[in-house]
Amino acid sequence: GEQVEQLPSILRVQEGSSASINCSYEDSASNYFPWYKQEPGENPKLIIDIRSNMERKQIQELIVLLDKKAKRFSLHITDTQPGDSAMYFCAASVNYGSSGNKLIFGIGTLLSVKP
Amino acid sequence: EAAVTQSPRSKVAVTGGKVTLSCHQTNNHDYMYWYRQDTGHGLRLIHYSYVADSTEKGDIPDGYKASRPSQENFSLILELASLSQTAVYFCASTPGTEVFFGKGTRLTVV
Repeated sequence: GEQVEQLPSILRVQEGSSASINCSYEDSASNYFPWYKQEPGENPKLIIDIRSNMERKQIQELIVLLDKKAKRFSLHITDTQPGDSAMYFCAASVNYGSSGNKLIFGIGTLLSVKP
Repeated sequence: EAAVTQSPRSKVAVTGGKVTLSCHQTNNHDYMYWYRQDTGHGLRLIHYSYVADSTEKGDIPDGYKASRPSQENFSLILELASLSQTAVYFCASTPGTEVFFGKGTRLTVV
């Protein structure tokens, strides 16, 4: 099936520094790329998303970049805080015509922010 | 916020037994999904549905069935539970873009 690759799987940064997570996708028709944050024992929650008609989107300390030609997108967290420590998932939408849409997730990045 | 309710929240099942995981959404969303989460594998799609009385296979459907009797309800059925199906299962719904997840069901097969 369609794949979304996500790297790194583990990311450790110092408080106040930046953290970057990179993803790549296969289907050039994918047009929606969300990012989810999952705290331990909780469900994943949407933190930011970008559509294929944009190259950059920022919400406070979160920046998402999309390179459609390279089929890559990335999440950048500036000025990280201990509260940013969590699992992060990228995803890409895949449309299967009469079978509807699917959202394919990467394997996740465990971010640890050290005080 | 969109509401997706899963039941049970945790379950211990015996190998070879039948397990049904239930999901209910009150958001009038067309799409519903069942994902499985395992360490090192992220979230993998088992089955999904975009309309009542119809289901589609996801990426890892083997050993699972799904049922969408109404727009609000979407069940995941393990006819013969196996040890390898021990995992956390998430149901989700979406109107087409943002996906809203339930709290998850922790299934342990012994």
